[in-house]
Amino acid sequence: ELKVEQNPLFLSMQEGKNYTIYCNYSTTSDRLYWYRQDPGKSLESLFVLLSNGAVKQEGRLMASLDTKARLSTLHITAAVHDLSATYFCAVIIQGAQKLVFGQGTRLTINP
Amino acid sequence: DAEITQSPRHKITETGRQVTLACHQTWNHNNMFWYRQDLGHGLRLIHYSYGVQDTNKGEVSDGYSVSRSNTEDLPLTLESAASSQTSVYFCASSESRMTSTDTQYFGPGTRLTVL
Repeated sequence: ELKVEQNPLFLSMQEGKNYTIYCNYSTTSDRLYWYRQDPGKSLESLFVLLSNGAVKQEGRLMASLDTKARLSTLHITAAVHDLSATYFCAVIIQGAQKLVFGQGTRLTINP
Repeated sequence: DAEITQSPRHKITETGRQVTLACHQTWNHNNMFWYRQDLGHGLRLIHYSYGVQDTNKGEVSDGYSVSRSNTEDLPLTLESAASSQTSVYFCASSESRMTSTDTQYFGPGTRLTVL
């Protein structure tokens, strides 16, 4: 059974600082997704990582994937308040098109 | 623009009643999914469909059913609502694996309260 674990689950940080959210998964998978969710809103797709060593960047967010370690990271550079949200990673089940989600990381960025 | 919609956005019902939540997408996606989101559990898959007349059970399917009579719609039915089914429900859709990254796109959600 595929399990996906994120850490930390809660993160409070100051504007201008850097931090990393980690996503570990338990069995082989060839694709990993990062989503953002604002309070009371739906999930917005941020990144799709399709292969080992894949790196994607959008603004102050950068995601990477190490399939051998079964680990993805979401790095936040010089955080700004607008990045406050809950971030989910999700892993596709090999051979199917179903996603298994991590618990989410609630990120709060304080001025 | 293509989109995915859910209705109603908010619903209050009583224990034991049958409830149907609608999901409609205009992307012509083959795959559709229903999730529930609860504090401490993230998103959990309820049912999913890979195409017309295809339905499959997910991780937490007990007490729920779906049917897929066309490409655009996947309604979710709670046969006899229970308080444990109070949650936020999200519908999602994606293209088939052969042609895309399988990214799932989510609807706005339905907040269901069972009293």
